[in-house]
Amino acid sequence: DTGVSQNPRHKITKRGQNVTFRCDPISEHNRLYWYRQTLGQGPEFLTYFQNEAQLEKSRLLSDRFSAERPKGSFSTLEIQRTEQGDSAMYLCASSSDLYNEQFFGPGTRLTVL
Amino acid sequence: AQSVTQLGSHVSVSEGALVLLRCNYSSSVPPYLFWYVQYPNQGLQLLLKYTTGATLVKGINGFEAEFKKSETSFHLTKPSAHMSDAAEYFCAVSGDNNAGNMLTFGGGTRLMVKP
Repeated sequence: DTGVSQNPRHKITKRGQNVTFRCDPISEHNRLYWYRQTLGQGPEFLTYFQNEAQLEKSRLLSDRFSAERPKGSFSTLEIQRTEQGDSAMYLCASSSDLYNEQFFGPGTRLTVL
Repeated sequence: AQSVTQLGSHVSVSEGALVLLRCNYSSSVPPYLFWYVQYPNQGLQLLLKYTTGATLVKGINGFEAEFKKSETSFHLTKPSAHMSDAAEYFCAVSGDNNAGNMLTFGGGTRLMVKP
């Protein structure tokens, strides 16, 4: 059981640059979620995939954000033209259809200078 | 829509004392309720969950929580705090069948344990 992995763990970028994060879910899990957590707050839902289909997106996910899950395996979250307000921890989670339990990865901490 | 309120952003207890972290939720459908723990610079680890059945649920590390529908609460307790329990705790709700049971989290409670 390798768990959910996320890369990179930390990313520092300058305002206006594009960044991409990767999430590898637990292999048998067909559901994948992205959340964002700012300092001192609880995680907030961003988007959800069932296999390769993106079925739900939060209003928090502006048009600068895009997520993909090709072939229903790993997922990427891209932020274009980053802003300082994008600085946060980006968490990925996965679950199966059978059990209503999400397993979280260690997160990617983004700092936008 | 669902929401979670965690009363007390910081809770401090002495080692060996009772831990009580409060969580109240609102949900228009029968909720699934969760408690997660987060250590610094790490992801979230599930402590326990309530879906259906017995309202008192036991989790890892000696924690337990009781679902009280009449009070819309799901408070987390542990009889005796240990130094290693110091962390951030999040209560979460799901179950509206939208977004594949996405989680709605409370703001978190930071537990500090004094020696």
